Parts: sequence; C-alpha cells; structure tokens
Amino acid sequence: ETGVTQSPTHLIKTRGQQVTLRCSSQSGHNTVSWYQQALGQGPQFIFQYYREEENGRGNFPPRFSGLQFPNYSSELNVNALELDDSALYLCASSLDSSGNTIYFGEGSWLTVV
Amino acid sequence: DAKTTQPTSMDCAEGRAANLPCNHSTISGNEYVYWYRQIHSQGPQYIIHGLKNNETNEMASLIITEDRKSSTLILPHATLRDTAVYYCIVRAYGGATNKLIFGTGTLLAVQP
Repeated sequence: ETGVTQSPTHLIKTRGQQVTLRCSSQSGHNTVSWYQQALGQGPQFIFQYYREEENGRGNFPPRFSGLQFPNYSSELNVNALELDDSALYLCASSLDSSGNTIYFGEGSWLTVV
Repeated sequence: DAKTTQPTSMDCAEGRAANLPCNHSTISGNEYVYWYRQIHSQGPQYIIHGLKNNETNEMASLIITEDRKSSTLILPHATLRDTAVYYCIVRAYGGATNKLIFGTGTLLAVQP
C-alpha cells in the first residue's frame, strides 16, 4: 500500500468526450505527478503539480490539464478524447519536488471507443 | 529518451537469486539509480534507490559499479509473486520536477 488512491479504476468513454480522473496523495505529500501508460509501454510523464501550481510538463497537448487542491488531492482532465488516449493513467505523489521517493497509485484504466 | 538500457526479459527459478542488470553509462554525478517494478495491471512499485554505495532493504539489494555506469538489482530469493516488469531509472536529485523517464524495462519471469 502506497497511500496513493485513484478513482475510478476503470471507465469507458466515447471519442470527443471529456474525462476527469482523481487522485488522493499520500498523507503529507505536496507534489503530485501524472503519467500515461499505453499497453505494452512504460509510463510517460504528463505533468506535475507542486503546491497547486503546474511546474513541469511532458510532451502532451493542452487538452490534458490538471488541478491540485489545497489538501493536495489532484485531478487529471482530458478533453476531446481520442482513441489513442486509451491507456492506464497513473498518479504519483512525493514529499516534495526535489528528489524524495515517488509513490504510485494503482491507476485508472481509460478506454475510448 | 530513457538513459538506461536493460535486457528485455529474464527467467529465474523460484527460490534462486534474480540478478537484473542495468546500464547507465551517461549517468551524471547528481543522478541516482532507482528501481521500480510493475506487476501486471498495477501501478509501479518502488523497490530501492542508490547513488554510489551498495544499498539493501527488505525487498532487494542494489549493487552499483564503482564507475557508476551500471548496476544490478538482486532479489535474493525470488518467488512467483516477483514476476513483473522491472524498471531501472536514473533521476537527478534536486531537480525541478519529479519526472521519471521509464524505458521498456525487463520482464522477469520466475519459474516454479
């Protein structure tokens, strides 16, 4: 158990729709990052939030956006879903952004049809 | 791109030690070596990390060569539940983000 919880665990959406995925960080962790993992590949960094501000982003388009709340929980929003967005979405938290160990949740499986 | 190279797959007999190699020849002085594993359909699980000294915890041992260009993760007594993809990652300490760059990892299959 890492203390990082994600919801929902599985969901199916239609192309063009919008989706919101949620993450509750490990207690005391103020930094959260999101990753996308397509089938058969390693996780790819989407972005990171530190104290409610985005402070790092991978090679993902603006339709991938996020929020971090004062209690350090977080959301990942994806607009205008495409079939290629089908993947496992992972949330990870850490004590801060300077190098402490990163702990992952179990992920949310998104299928776009 | 990932800064590490790992074999695509390895087999290990149950009860024996599993030794997973990783090459990171371009590692910088401020970069740590991290190991995670991912059991099918689950989130990555942290195993161990180190800078230049060998490290051991309840899960595994990490041996880093003196020149830091390669390392080996050792699972001393592999069980069937250790079957997973193992990722070796180099990560700078003190960077602005917690970005981890995953490669394709090593699929370890523990055989009964």
